[in-house]
Amino acid sequence: QLQLQESGSGLVKPSQTLSLTCAVSGGSISSGGYSWSWIRQPPGQGLEWIGYIYHSGSTYYNPSVKSRVTMSVDKSKNQFSLKLSSVTAADTAVYYCARFFGWLSPWGQGTLVTVSS
Amino acid sequence: AIQLTQSPSSLSASVGDRVTITCRASQGISSALAWYQQRPGKAPKLLIYDASNLESGVPSRFSGSGSGTDFTLTISSLQPEDFATYYCQQFDSYLPLNFGGGTKVEIK
Repeated sequence: QLQLQESGSGLVKPSQTLSLTCAVSGGSISSGGYSWSWIRQPPGQGLEWIGYIYHSGSTYYNPSVKSRVTMSVDKSKNQFSLKLSSVTAADTAVYYCARFFGWLSPWGQGTLVTVSS
Repeated sequence: AIQLTQSPSSLSASVGDRVTITCRASQGISSALAWYQQRPGKAPKLLIYDASNLESGVPSRFSGSGSGTDFTLTISSLQPEDFATYYCQQFDSYLPLNFGGGTKVEIK
């Protein structure tokens, strides 16, 4: 059974870079023609898709964050990562990773990232 | 970008009730729509993909229908574990993928 688990910094200072990793277990990140996505949810609000990365490294980013986002994949570790630069309080959210095939499934449990000095 | 409008934004219902949630797309998206359930403090869970296909392991009381711009999620007989927030998501255009605003289903 495929499982995803987010990890990374839970507290980031304004203007710094948020860094998260999603570890994939129970299957290979390179198989099945899937892509891998990041999604975030500010406290009490709805879902915002950040973008996806394919195991080849090709990416698509939501224009809302495109200038600040970098995604990467490490096939040797079966994981993919998110970096979001120049963060502000508006980037405070629960960040989820998920397998992407048009729809998103499964999802990781999510990790709360707070931007505060 | 395609906009998704869910209605209602919230509803109150009783156990055993039939519940219908609507998602309207700002332009036609064929059947490229998914539905998710999110319980408090938990990650979203896929219920329906391609507008009407039930994800493996999801109870059959959940069903989806529609194509083009108008879609519905129906819960045929609401159970206690179904009180949650439901989101639709379109994937006809990946640029960018987006979600509806959510429908919170509460206990009456």
